[in-house]
Amino acid sequence: EAGVVQSPRYKIIEKKQPVAFWCNPISGHNTLYWYLQNLGQGPELLIRYENEEAVDDSQLPKDRFSAERLKGVDSTLKIQPAELGDSAVYLCASSPTWTSGYNEQFFGPGTRLTVL
Amino acid sequence: GENVEQHPSTLSVQEGDSAVIKCTYSDSASNYFPWYKQELGKRPQLIIDIRSNVGEKKDQRIAVTLNKTAKHFSLHITETQPEDSAVYFCAVIGAGSYQLTFGKGTKLSVIP
Repeated sequence: EAGVVQSPRYKIIEKKQPVAFWCNPISGHNTLYWYLQNLGQGPELLIRYENEEAVDDSQLPKDRFSAERLKGVDSTLKIQPAELGDSAVYLCASSPTWTSGYNEQFFGPGTRLTVL
Repeated sequence: GENVEQHPSTLSVQEGDSAVIKCTYSDSASNYFPWYKQELGKRPQLIIDIRSNVGEKKDQRIAVTLNKTAKHFSLHITETQPEDSAVYFCAVIGAGSYQLTFGKGTKLSVIP
């Protein structure tokens, strides 16, 4: 079974530039998550999708961050404009449709963003 | 919201010894407690999890114990090996919630 795929793996940009990250979840997983992981910290949820609907985006800084999952499969996370403090690893995860409340979340390898 | 504290932040053990990492949580309604292992530059991977209706779960050299009354749970690794060296994260999901709240991680170093 193929895991969660993310690209690019690494991205270096100048501040104020836009950047986008792509995620392809595990086939059949309807729930998709984007997490932010700062150095030395645990992942923090940015947004959760159920199919194409963003059902929890309360922690997404909406002034510069946006996300979409148009067909309920792949997802893109965008930052525009990027700031120095956005340097971090952006992790995507997916899980099967929630039926019991105990779904394992499978993580992708992440995109390491460096803003100069 | 949920608050998860994880201790210690770093842990060094000799190969063959045991390692214990502890997490406390704030929401008494939390009902799912996974542990993730993250090697340097790699994705977090689930190594063991426990539900709130179970007090202990074991998988070979790894075990997790849950004390709901005290609101803490612990990861136990026995007979540690160098390949166990990684950062370990505990996490919690509250009742009716999807959101994983992670601890800040423990960097485990197993010295050969």
